[in-house]
Amino acid sequence: SAVISQKPSRDICQRGTSLTIQCQVDSQVTMMFWYRQQPGQSLTLIATANQGSEATYESGFVIDKFPISRPNLTFSTLTVSNMSPEDSSIYLCSVEDLALSGAKNIQYFGAGTRLSVL
Amino acid sequence: GQQLNQSPQSMFIQEGEDVSMNCTSSSIFNTWLWYKQEPGEGPVLLIALYKAGELTSNGRLTAQFGITRKDSFLNISASIPSDVGIYFCAGQLGAGGTSYGKLTFGQGTILTVHP
Repeated sequence: SAVISQKPSRDICQRGTSLTIQCQVDSQVTMMFWYRQQPGQSLTLIATANQGSEATYESGFVIDKFPISRPNLTFSTLTVSNMSPEDSSIYLCSVEDLALSGAKNIQYFGAGTRLSVL
Repeated sequence: GQQLNQSPQSMFIQEGEDVSMNCTSSSIFNTWLWYKQEPGEGPVLLIALYKAGELTSNGRLTAQFGITRKDSFLNISASIPSDVGIYFCAGQLGAGGTSYGKLTFGQGTILTVHP
């Protein structure tokens, strides 16, 4: 597996501000993903972070609201822009790489960033 | 889009009892994964399934990939207090070892174990 570090682990933010969440992996990985988990809900994929190119967003998520960077194979950031209370969620980074998982399709998750917007 | 229906939503059991939960899908998946999430943590993989009909165990946990590829179940035998958490199924279209892909998650089963 991989060691996935997310920062910050939690934050309380004011409406209208933006927060950038970092995801660092201890080895190079092919795929990195960002998920949102709203309170008491399941996980929903926001986007796939592509190294060296624009992220691929799922339906209902747009780049202006959730800009994503992936400058290399071990690091990605997700920004939650112009926040409102509806953005209060857990944001999770995950990685997938066939070399990590013995040629199996497995995604490993970070501990998440718990965001509260006032 | 694809949807996963996971049941039950929650379970309250006594220590030592067996637990069963399942997921059904409106469409086919090629990979089924079961995760456990504890408070303050991200999901941790419990079992991965790659072939229709596959039955896989991990300690007291057993999971099966349904023959139709549209369902999976997870059993926990002889539950203990540390089994408490939220259990999620997840389906992926990627075939084993050949491709990556989006995970579609079930709604989760909240498990409470009374000592």
